[in-house]
Amino acid sequence: DIQMTQSPAFLSASLGETVSIECLASEDIYSYLAWYQQKPGKSPQLLIYAANRLQDGVPSRFSGSGSGTQYLLKISGMQPEDEGDYFCLQGSKWLTLGSGTKLEIK
Amino acid sequence: EVQLVESGGGVVQPGGSLKLSCLASGFSFSNYGMNWIRRAPGKGLEWVASISSSSTYIYYGDTVKGRFTISRDNGKNTLYLQMTSLKSEDTALYYCAKTLSYYFDYWGQGVMVSVSS
Repeated sequence: DIQMTQSPAFLSASLGETVSIECLASEDIYSYLAWYQQKPGKSPQLLIYAANRLQDGVPSRFSGSGSGTQYLLKISGMQPEDEGDYFCLQGSKWLTLGSGTKLEIK
Repeated sequence: EVQLVESGGGVVQPGGSLKLSCLASGFSFSNYGMNWIRRAPGKGLEWVASISSSSTYIYYGDTVKGRFTISRDNGKNTLYLQMTSLKSEDTALYYCAKTLSYYFDYWGQGVMVSVSS
């Protein structure tokens, strides 16, 4: 099974700061990667798919990059509404989710 | 608007059974694969099971294989998860999610299952 190692587990950022979250796959996942945001009590929302494609309606400050085994989610200019949990999903071989990153405002 | 509403959760004793439902609306249910994903308290998300649009293809995660059964009724726009031989480690918030390609584009709010004596 493909393992997804997500880091950091916790992140604190100031408003306007650029933050990055990483997911590292145990083998090549050929960009079959999606990123999600989840706020307390809410269902997860899709942000990025195919490693770097922005889902309709998602603000352009969110971006994804990476290839092979290493993938990044970047938020360019932290906003108050960006607080929440973020996780990745690989779909190259079966389905594996990252362990999650809790993002808070400093 | 796509809506996925889970139901059927509750408290059950170890070894017991429970059946979850997910009522879908806002899209052509019969055209899309569906999934169950769970989050145990204090843990990360775990994919549980997937079913293709016409139920031809069904897949399970290793931890539930042989105990859980995913199914769907396209006439009722409803996804199911029959859970048997439940263990304490099955305690979790269970989400249903719609498939788009290899990922999930919409998720429900989740339904809680607690396995406890």
